[in-house]
Amino acid sequence: DAGVIQSPRHEVTEMGQEVTLRCKPISGHNSLFWYRQTMMRGLELLIYFNNNVPIDDSGMPEDRFSAKMPNASFSTLKIQPSEPRDSAVYFCASSLGRFNQPQHFGDGTRLSIL
Amino acid sequence: GENVEQHPSTLSVQEGDSAVIKCTYSDSASNYFPWYKQELGKGPQLIIDIRSNVGEKKDQRIAVTLNKTAKHFSLHITETQPEDSAVYFCAASIRDSGYSTLTFGKGTMLLVSP
Repeated sequence: DAGVIQSPRHEVTEMGQEVTLRCKPISGHNSLFWYRQTMMRGLELLIYFNNNVPIDDSGMPEDRFSAKMPNASFSTLKIQPSEPRDSAVYFCASSLGRFNQPQHFGDGTRLSIL
Repeated sequence: GENVEQHPSTLSVQEGDSAVIKCTYSDSASNYFPWYKQELGKGPQLIIDIRSNVGEKKDQRIAVTLNKTAKHFSLHITETQPEDSAVYFCAASIRDSGYSTLTFGKGTMLLVSP
């Protein structure tokens, strides 16, 4: 079975540029989560969707961050404009259902902002 | 909100020894506790989980115990092997407004020496 698929795996760009991260959840899963991982702060939940609807975006650090889920098989996380402090590994995860279901993670996008 | 503390941050053992990682959580309403293993360059992978109506769960060499009164849970790995070397994360889930999300500990780097 295909797991959660994220692209690109690595992204290096200059400060001020727009960055778009992509995620394809596991087929049939109706909850999708975006996380950011850094050494200092660990794994932080940025936003999550249920049935393509954003439920809670309180973890999104700034207005420069936005996320969309136009359909059940695709989601994007966009940073515009990007800053060096946005450098981190970004993970997407999906799960079946709303309550206490195992979350399955993709292999992440390592983002470096120069 | 929920706060999850994880100890130790690093753990070195000899092959064949047991390893124990401990976590505490702050919100007594938490009711689902998964453990994840993260290898270098990969996303976290669920290895075992436990729900609040169960005190212990075992899967081959891995076991998890939960003490709801004390608000702590632990991961036990027996007969460790070099391939167990990775970063392990505990998490606690809480239901909020009809949905549940995970709060992660900061991780434990486990090194198993041959």
